[in-house]
Amino acid sequence: GAVVSQHPSWVICKSGTSVKIECRSLDFQATTMFWYRQFPKQSLMLMATSNEGSKATYEQGVEKDKFLINHASLTLSTLTVTSAHPEDSSFYICSARVPFLNTEAFFGQGTRLTVV
Amino acid sequence: EDQVTQSPEALRLQEGESSSLNCSYTVSGLRGLFWYRQDPGKGPEFLFTLYSAGEEKEKERLKATLTKKESFLHITAPKPEDSATYLCAVQTLGQKVTFGIGTKLQVIP
Repeated sequence: GAVVSQHPSWVICKSGTSVKIECRSLDFQATTMFWYRQFPKQSLMLMATSNEGSKATYEQGVEKDKFLINHASLTLSTLTVTSAHPEDSSFYICSARVPFLNTEAFFGQGTRLTVV
Repeated sequence: EDQVTQSPEALRLQEGESSSLNCSYTVSGLRGLFWYRQDPGKGPEFLFTLYSAGEEKEKERLKATLTKKESFLHITAPKPEDSATYLCAVQTLGQKVTFGIGTKLQVIP
């Protein structure tokens, strides 16, 4: 299957600082990428849809000023958690679908964010 | 509202003891149903896509089936390395994907 790489796999930051997470499609060009958040024993919750060259589409209840998404190229989308607080601690996962197939999504390895 | 319900939440099997995981869904229009495997601290790993009722797909000890209301993931003679959380997700005609909470499978040697 297609390969999606996410970096870093884990990060610890101080409250009030910002953290950037990268999501790359390694063997295909992804015009659309997706960012999810997963809490323990809960399903993956879609945060936003990242579109190359345009603004991201955020799900209801997700603060766009707090979770900044940039999709500047066909292979890279970034999620920046700004002014992080302990309640932002979670597992963040990106995914992408192969264009034109528009079927299953391939996921990155995930990033465990801990805000202390 | 689209809903995906997986059962059981947790399943403990002896090695070699076959069983099935269930994914029930209520969506406005099904484009596809996906099964993923997720290991602790990792992103989901794609297993299968099913598109229409009656469709079946197999991969090693896993077999996925689909009806108009639910999907089953059958595990035949599981091994300890099959231990993971299995996620079901549905994609509607509007492209939105909704995930279930998952079934945590533990296979004991």
